[in-house]
Parts: sequence; C-alpha cells; structure tokens
Amino acid sequence: AQKVTQAQTEISVVEKEDVTLDCVYETRDTTYYLFWYKQPPSGELVFLIRRNSFDEQNEISGRYSWNFQKSTSSFNFTITASQVVDSAVYFCALSRVTGGGNKLTFGTGTQLKVEL
Amino acid sequence: EAQVTQNPRYLITVTGKKLTVTCSQNMNHEYMSWYRQDPGLGLRQIYYSMNVEVTDKGDVPEGYKVSRKEKRNFPLILESPSPNQTSLYFCASSTYPDPGKTQYFGPGTRLLVL
Repeated sequence: AQKVTQAQTEISVVEKEDVTLDCVYETRDTTYYLFWYKQPPSGELVFLIRRNSFDEQNEISGRYSWNFQKSTSSFNFTITASQVVDSAVYFCALSRVTGGGNKLTFGTGTQLKVEL
Repeated sequence: EAQVTQNPRYLITVTGKKLTVTCSQNMNHEYMSWYRQDPGLGLRQIYYSMNVEVTDKGDVPEGYKVSRKEKRNFPLILESPSPNQTSLYFCASSTYPDPGKTQYFGPGTRLLVL
C-alpha cells in the first residue's frame, strides 16, 4: 500500500524566514511520481511540481526548491524568504506508474502561516 | 482555456435528499476522478474513470455513485446523503494512462449535509 506522511500539521514563520515542509512516502514500487500541490485560502488546488522516481536531481524554481532523496523516501519542499502570499496548505502526493489508475495518494497536508 | 468545472460550488442539503455534483472537462482527457478532502485526512479518492463507461472504486466509495456516459462529464451522485458526507469535493482529470501527467483539479464543491 502507498502512504504519504506529512508530519508537520502546522508551521508558523515570520516573513522572510526560510521554511521546509517535510514529506515522507512509502511504496513498494520502483517507479513512481511525486507531486506537491498548494491550496491557498480560496480552496483550489495549485500544482507546484512533479518528480519522477528516477530523477533525483533537486529542483529550484524562484523561491521554491525541492529535495528528493530516494534513500530516505523523502521529497521535501523549501520556501526561501517566505512571503505572506505563501500562506496556504501544502500537500505532497504519490502516484503509481502501474496498477494505480492515475490515483494520487495524498498526505494530510501542512498548513503554512507566514506572518508579518 | 483548459479547465475542469464543477457545479455547484457550494451546497447545503438535508439528510436523504438525493443530489448530483457535476464535473466537466474540456481537455479531452480519458481519466477523471473524484476526491474528498477532510481535515486531518488530506484528499482521498472516491471513484475514478479511465474512459467512457469504465469506472472503478477508489478508497472511499461508500455512499457515492458515478457514471461516465460522455468523455467530458463525470457526475458524482449522492443517492441518500448523510452528515458524514459533509466535505470538500474535487474533480480531477488527466490523460491516461499517464500517471506522471499533471492532474487538473476543479475548483471544489463544498457540501454541507444537515
């Protein structure tokens, strides 16, 4: 069975601080995809990144960066110099390559609050 | 514009009164899916469809029905809603089979069952 754990339920930071959101996953598959989604207070789900299990390169996109470590089954997300607009719930998710019907297995989410 | 639409966006109903939440996509995607989001539980898949007339249960299908008569539409039916179905519902679509492709999510439907 697939499982995604986001142990941090809620994180509060002051603007301009760096913050890392943890994601640990479990799967028996050797090939899979990992995702991060953002859910702002308005409620929609915004796709942030997708990572193939064969690609362990870290990725940076502006203030966002992702650290994928297959050895520890982690796919952590760092926001550098956080801003109030980053306040949202962030979900990590896992997708199987075969037999999963494109299903996304989500973690329980991390509520990030960025204060002035 | 590529999008997934859901209607209604907000719904308050009473126990036992049948309701349908519609979902439509304009991207010619084969795969469509319904999720529910509950506090502390994240999003869980209810039902999915890999193409027209092909549907299957997700992790939490009890109390729900779906149909896929047309490629673009995937309605979620609650025949006899109960308060434990109060939730935020999302419809999603993507190409299939391609689990690495981004899934497009609708804006969500907030349902309150009294």
